Formats: sequence, structure tokens, C-alpha cells
Amino acid sequence: DVKVTQSSRYLVKRTGEKVFLECVQDMDHENMFWYRQDPGLGLRLIYFSYDVKMKEKGDIPEGYSVSREKKERFSLILESASTNQTSMYLCASSAGAQPQHFGDGTRLSIL
Amino acid sequence: DQQVKQNSPSLSVQEGRISILNCDYTNSMFDYFLWYKKYPAEGPTFLISISSIKDKNEDGRFTVFLNKSAKHLSLHIVPSQPGDSAVYFCAATFNYGGSQGNLIFGKGTKLSVKP
Repeated sequence: DVKVTQSSRYLVKRTGEKVFLECVQDMDHENMFWYRQDPGLGLRLIYFSYDVKMKEKGDIPEGYSVSREKKERFSLILESASTNQTSMYLCASSAGAQPQHFGDGTRLSIL
Repeated sequence: DQQVKQNSPSLSVQEGRISILNCDYTNSMFDYFLWYKKYPAEGPTFLISISSIKDKNEDGRFTVFLNKSAKHLSLHIVPSQPGDSAVYFCAATFNYGGSQGNLIFGKGTKLSVKP
């Protein structure tokens, strides 16, 4: 069974802080994704990666960056957290054309 | 502009009856469609998918129908159970050379199944 693990379920940070959200998958998937989910807006793609050290912008990359130094780990970085980045963040992974598998999410609050 | 639309934010159904969740898309290049189910405080879980070469795919109580000419798909749950109460997301993409494009998600429909 595919396991996508996000390091924190809940996180509270202050505006201006640099925030790291970590995601690890255990199925050797080449594709990894970061989404945010907001009420009434569905899931929106922030960044994705199809290989180690490779990254591509999604639909809403502003204010975020990512890092993929190892195949199993994909990190989302909020360079300078702002209150409008309060959201549920979801990491996903997939292999080839298979469906994406999601982690349980990190609910991030920026105060 | 929204490429995948779920026009009903919520749906309430009696236990044992049929639940029908609808999804419309605008991009005719999409050739693969998925439904995900999400409980509160959990990540979405893959439920069922359909390729554009088919018009129906069935898995137990769940059936997805695809009408390419209308750019419309629907998820049928029969019979509905209280444990089916969740938010359902429709997603669309296109497959190429063994890989898959990014998923485009609808905004979700919250299904409530009453006992």
C-alpha cells in the first residue's frame, strides 16, 4: 500500500517566518505534487516534480518554492509566510499514468 | 476559467437510495477522468477512474459514466451508505506516452447520506 507521509498534521507560524512542509513517499514514485485546499476552491496545484532535482510551477506558485534532493522527499517552502497562506496543504505522489496518492494533509495557520 | 466544474456544492441523499454526483469539463483534450473522496482531516483517496475510450466504468457500488459529446461525467453510488458521506472531487487530465498530465480538480461536492 502506498504511503505518503506529511511531517505535521497541524502547524502554527507567524507572518514573515520561513516555513518548511515535508513530504515523504515510500513507493519509489517519480512524480510528486503539492496542492493547497481552500473552502469553495477545491485543490489547486502549487508545484510539482517529475524527477529528483526537477521542479515545475503549478497554478499558484507565488510565495512558495520547493526542493527535491531525494526521490522520496518533496519539500514545500513558504519563503516569508503571510496570512493568506493559511490553508490545508496536501502532498501527493504517483508513478507514470497511475492515480495520485495523497497524504493526510498539513493544516497550516499563519498568525 | 474553470476547466472542471462541479456545480452542486452539496447533495443530501437517504440511505439506500442512489447518489448522483455530476461533473462538467470544458477542455476536449482531457482523456482521463478520476473521482476522489475526501473525509475531513484526511487526504483525498482515489475512488474510480474512466478513460475517454469508455463510456462507463463500474467498481462495486460505484459507477462512473462519461458523455464525451456533452463533456459531462457522473458518479453513481448505489446503494448509498452513511459512510459515503464525504466531499467528492472530480478531476481530469490527459495521458501521453505512459505519463500523465497534471490533474485539474473541480471544487468538490459534499455528499451527506442520512440514515
